[in-house]
Amino acid sequence: GQNIDQPTEMTATEGAIVQINCTYQTSGFNGLFWYQQHAGEAPTFLSYNVLDGLEEKGRFSSFLSRSKGYSYLLLKELQMKDSASYLCAAHNTDKLIFGTGTRLQVFP
Amino acid sequence: DGGITQSPKYLFRKEGQNVTLSCEQNLNHDAMYWYRQDPGQGLRLIYYSQIVNDFQKGDIAEGYSVSREKKESFPLTVTSAQKNPTAFYLCASSLGSGANVLTFGAGSRLTVL
Repeated sequence: GQNIDQPTEMTATEGAIVQINCTYQTSGFNGLFWYQQHAGEAPTFLSYNVLDGLEEKGRFSSFLSRSKGYSYLLLKELQMKDSASYLCAAHNTDKLIFGTGTRLQVFP
Repeated sequence: DGGITQSPKYLFRKEGQNVTLSCEQNLNHDAMYWYRQDPGQGLRLIYYSQIVNDFQKGDIAEGYSVSREKKESFPLTVTSAQKNPTAFYLCASSLGSGANVLTFGAGSRLTVL
């Protein structure tokens, strides 16, 4: 079967670091996407990992371990505007399988 | 500016009525997708199309229909057969036939009264 798991909610303080984990089980796995979605808006692309390892892009980094079926999104120097849902999605052959999303609330 | 346009943004419908949601893209993307989003649930794939005049069912296609007569357009019809149609509907497109980076529209919120 296909399954994507990520925590439902997380909270953090402005300026801190937060790590959002995602585990997946899917056949035909090609890579792992992370999207950000503010309430009532469309998701926007953050990162795509195909190979194992860490990819850094400014304050955001994403990690993938294909052997463990595991990924995480690391957000540094948190800002209030980072309060949003973060969606993990496994690229499966010709479509994406999304997790339920992690709602992150950043407090001052 | 290139992008995806969904309309209407908000739609109210009575039970038993069909409704069509519009999705137009000017990105010259080959593939287009329709997702449904409910509170506490992830995006679920309804239908997708990788090329004009061809489309495939996603995970929750029952009660929905689509057409892909033009590359830039992928309308979704929510039929009266859909038992629980109230949801946020997102259209997306990607370059190429594989699931490359998706560009999403702003969404259409359908409420059935």
